[in-house]
Amino acid sequence: DVKVTQSSRYLVKRTGEKVFLECVQDMDHENMFWYRQDPGLGLRLIYFSYDVKMKEKGDIPEGYSVSREKKERFSLILESASTNQTSMYLCASSWSQEQYFGPGTRLTVT
Amino acid sequence: TQLLEQSPQFLSIQEGENLTVYCNSSSVFSSLQWYRQEPGEGPVLLVTVVTGGEVKKLKRLTFQFGDARKDSSLHITAAQPGDTGLYLCAGGTRFGAQKLVFGQGTRLTINP
Repeated sequence: DVKVTQSSRYLVKRTGEKVFLECVQDMDHENMFWYRQDPGLGLRLIYFSYDVKMKEKGDIPEGYSVSREKKERFSLILESASTNQTSMYLCASSWSQEQYFGPGTRLTVT
Repeated sequence: TQLLEQSPQFLSIQEGENLTVYCNSSSVFSSLQWYRQEPGEGPVLLVTVVTGGEVKKLKRLTFQFGDARKDSSLHITAAQPGDTGLYLCAGGTRFGAQKLVFGQGTRLTINP
């Protein structure tokens, strides 16, 4: 079974803090993705990576950056957290168009 | 920009009833996936359809991909409380690429 894990299920941070969200997959997938999910807006793609050290912006990259130093690990970084970044963050991995998701991190920025 | 419109956004029905959820677009997709998400968890893949007109069945769930590969439907027969959840459709954006476009989701509640 494909397993995608995320470092935290719940996270509370203050405005202006630097936030790291970690994602690890164990299936040697080439592709990894970060989404945020907000009510009524569905899943919106923040960044994705198709290989180590390779990354592409998704639909809403502003305020975020990513890092992929190893194939199995994809990190999302909020350089200076703001209240409008309060959301559910979902990581996914894939080798084709079928994506496998982690359990999500519910981030609250106060 | 490719968009997927899901309808209805909310659906609450009684156990034993049938229902259909729709996923529509003006764009052609290389594949169409359906996911189910339970509260506090990530989406879980239910099915992938890739050929226009394709029909797949998963127990009481029937998935169909439109002939023109622009739309899809999910039909549930004799719904059960365990079917409750958020259903998401997602389209493959172009052949050989791995990004997906997601619909807004249908929140389904099956009442005992």
